[in-house]
Amino acid sequence: AQTIHQWPVAEIKAVGSPLSLGCTIKGKSSPNLYWYWQATGGTLQQLFYSITVGQVESVVQLNLSASRPKDDQFILSTEKLLLSHSGFYLCASRGSQNTLYFGAGTRLSVL
Amino acid sequence: QQKVQQSPESLSVPEGGMASLNCTSSDRNFQYFWWYRQHSGEGPKALMSIFSDGDKKEGRFTAHLNKASLHVSLHIRDSQPSDSALYFCAARATSSGQKLVFGQGTILKVYL
Repeated sequence: AQTIHQWPVAEIKAVGSPLSLGCTIKGKSSPNLYWYWQATGGTLQQLFYSITVGQVESVVQLNLSASRPKDDQFILSTEKLLLSHSGFYLCASRGSQNTLYFGAGTRLSVL
Repeated sequence: QQKVQQSPESLSVPEGGMASLNCTSSDRNFQYFWWYRQHSGEGPKALMSIFSDGDKKEGRFTAHLNKASLHVSLHIRDSQPSDSALYFCAARATSSGQKLVFGQGTILKVYL
């Protein structure tokens, strides 16, 4: 079974500061990987997806970027945080029957 | 715009009762549906998938899909306090590739 580890668990950052969130997948080779964003109590909005190393597709423009440096790693980042970036960031991997499996998430507070 | 609408926004049922959650799509291209459950502070977990018209039962959970009416539902029998969570319906179109669209969620509270 695949496992998804996200880091850090939580971040408190200042507006204008840089950010890097990470996600590592174990137990599945060449996974399709996704980043989602969720406002508190809100729906999940897909941000990026990647089907292979070095290739990332953007779904929405939120002044964020993503990279896939390794087969099992997906990174979300920005050089300048905005207040609107606050929320819950979730990494996901596609499993059997195209079901998405999510990590535990990173809670980001931008002040 | 939102292409997957869930109802009700919130629902309270007694322990042991039946909870019924609904989801309607506005896009006939959506062919594949999932139900996810998210406890506070955690990532969502997949409960069930349903791709064909009719019912699909897994333990206390039954999903029903009617593609003609673009409606999918989730019924939880013998609800437990641990079922209290945020429930999402998600849909994918055959042509959408990697995009999974989530509804806005239904908050379920199971009280003693």
